[in-house]
Amino acid sequence: DTGVSQDPRHKITKRGQNVTFRCDPISEHNRLYWYRQTLGQGPEFLTYFQNEAQLEKSRLLSDRFSAERPKGSFSTLEIQRTEQGDSAMYLCASSSKTLAYEQYFGPGTRLTVT
Amino acid sequence: DAKTTQPNSMESNEEEPVHLPCNHSTISGTDYIHWYRQLPSQGPEYVIHGLTSNVNNRMASLAIAEDRKSSTLILHRATLRDAAVYYCILRDGTDKLIFGTGTRLQVFP
Repeated sequence: DTGVSQDPRHKITKRGQNVTFRCDPISEHNRLYWYRQTLGQGPEFLTYFQNEAQLEKSRLLSDRFSAERPKGSFSTLEIQRTEQGDSAMYLCASSSKTLAYEQYFGPGTRLTVT
Repeated sequence: DAKTTQPNSMESNEEEPVHLPCNHSTISGTDYIHWYRQLPSQGPEYVIHGLTSNVNNRMASLAIAEDRKSSTLILHRATLRDAAVYYCILRDGTDKLIFGTGTRLQVFP
């Protein structure tokens, strides 16, 4: 068990470009979460999957954001037409059905929009 | 979403106990109290959680007030590796975590 992994760890992009991040949860964890964290703040919930179904989306997740989890394994988070306000750390977490109270977080992807 | 109030920062010396307070006066009967911590340059990690009774695990203890309007995370012997931001979170029946700004704990040798 290597934990939750995220790729890339860092991404620098120009405003208006599209970016995609990948999250690989702990194997056999059926729940997967995306959070966003800006400097000095706690993480903010974005969206949540149970298997391949996206069960909840935050109001923070504008139409430019889309997340998928095909086949209930890895997940991708895409941001279209990036804006400087999208600069943040994007965190992924996973949890199992039996121990849903404990979310395991990945190291995050730091996005910088110039 | 239920809210919590924590001090912005606290300090401790190494090998001393640390008591991190959290107020949650609007807690509902079904809200669990969770604590996570975030070490520098890492994602958050689960520490402990409870509903009504005090809880102990290998990392910490959680003391919950009788009226459940406050709780205290107890680190029995702080180490330098315990320096982190500690988040107190109320979790209802949903799976999402609602983080506040947490308490930044500094540990001095």
